[in-house]
Amino acid sequence: DAKTTQPTSMDCAEGRAANLPCNHSTISGNEYVYWYRQIHSQGPQYIIHGLKNNETNEMASLIITEDRKSSTLILPHATLRDTAVYYCIARAAFHSGNTPLVFGKGTRLSVIA
Amino acid sequence: EAGVTQFPSHSVIEKGQTVTLRCDPISGHDNLYWYRRVMGKEIKFLLHFVKESKQDESGMPNNRFLAERTGGTYSTLKVQPAELEDSGVYFCASSQNRGGLQETQYFGPGTRLLVL
Repeated sequence: DAKTTQPTSMDCAEGRAANLPCNHSTISGNEYVYWYRQIHSQGPQYIIHGLKNNETNEMASLIITEDRKSSTLILPHATLRDTAVYYCIARAAFHSGNTPLVFGKGTRLSVIA
Repeated sequence: EAGVTQFPSHSVIEKGQTVTLRCDPISGHDNLYWYRRVMGKEIKFLLHFVKESKQDESGMPNNRFLAERTGGTYSTLKVQPAELEDSGVYFCASSQNRGGLQETQYFGPGTRLLVL
């Protein structure tokens, strides 16, 4: 799986959009971009994933650049409960058997009132 | 639909004792994973079951750790004897199994283990 690079930390004002970047310059055409988050004292929570098209669900939007070398997770209206560590993970879409997730250090997002 | 559950939520034991962690995956999920996070470190993979078979146990730190998944339902992770460095949070995750397509993993709340 391709390596991803994320900023160590970010702040966001409550009610504003939080835009979390991720670089994955060596991503292959077969790799999805997955986003998880870990709120303090909880298990990692799946947020969204995409291959090359932008994706949106009830939690967030995922914008992937045309060359797929980077992406941005957008939380449209951040709340205090969105304070967490956010992980961007590249993972092969197809494999002979399901593979584990490889977590990096992630981005610590602090939503400020 | 119930999510992944783990028991106990916390465990405090003394060095040399044995602890058994349990994970109940989402019903129907053939894939079950164990991960752990030790203090100050990243979340690391331990092992992966497909039904009752161990698919990948490359992340198991040593032979003091034994994972089982009899019957392909719930799984247990036993640490015997526990050492101080085993302290951390142990997460379980599960996913469906549909041929070669990689499925999304869903995590449990974790078991916080403290070895004194």
